[in-house]
Amino acid sequence: GAGVSQSPSNKVTEKGKDVELRCDPISGHTALYWYRQSLGQGLEFLIYFQGNSAPDKSGLPSDRFSAERTGGSVSTLTIQRTQQEDSAVYLCASSFGVSSYEQYFGPGTRLTVT
Amino acid sequence: AQSVAQPEDQVNVAEGNPLTVKCTYSVSGNPYLFWYVQYPNRGLQFLLKYITGDNLVKGSYGFEAEFNKSQTSFHLKKPSALVSDSALYFCAVSYPNAGNNRKLIWGLGTSLAVNP
Repeated sequence: GAGVSQSPSNKVTEKGKDVELRCDPISGHTALYWYRQSLGQGLEFLIYFQGNSAPDKSGLPSDRFSAERTGGSVSTLTIQRTQQEDSAVYLCASSFGVSSYEQYFGPGTRLTVT
Repeated sequence: AQSVAQPEDQVNVAEGNPLTVKCTYSVSGNPYLFWYVQYPNRGLQFLLKYITGDNLVKGSYGFEAEFNKSQTSFHLKKPSALVSDSALYFCAVSYPNAGNNRKLIWGLGTSLAVNP
């Protein structure tokens, strides 16, 4: 079956612009995670969605970052007024639910802010 | 604070030799432990996990890992390395006490190079 997909694969934007990153989780997976992978800093958790519950936004680095998940499936991560330090690979992962432990990752979106 | 340490940035091993990639974690409750692998230009792939039970867990591609509670370690091992095992390996931990959020806390990764 299809895995987690993300789009775009690469995004170059100018400082100050807004960007939207999209994630399509595996069908039937109720849990969805966003992570950021930065050079020299490893992966960091950003936000978590589980079904219809309120998302855990505790990892979002600033109020310029937000995310939605519509219909319990597709998720969009939005970064407003991008800064150069936002440059990273943004990874989306999904898992079957609260009783599932493995997370399945998409290929990521490489964001470059110039 | 909860953290994961991978003390080696890079591990070099000859093909056919055993390999070990080290991971230690900070103590907080009973963690769930994971290994993921990232091949060049590919996404992260799940290798194996420890949740409970037998301390030695076996995963994909012939890899295994041993959970050692007293040493707070979860080292990744393989008896005979292949050149195709060359990749970036990440250790990660989640804490079930964090409610339903199984967010992963990651090590910085270890680059494994297997030389022919």
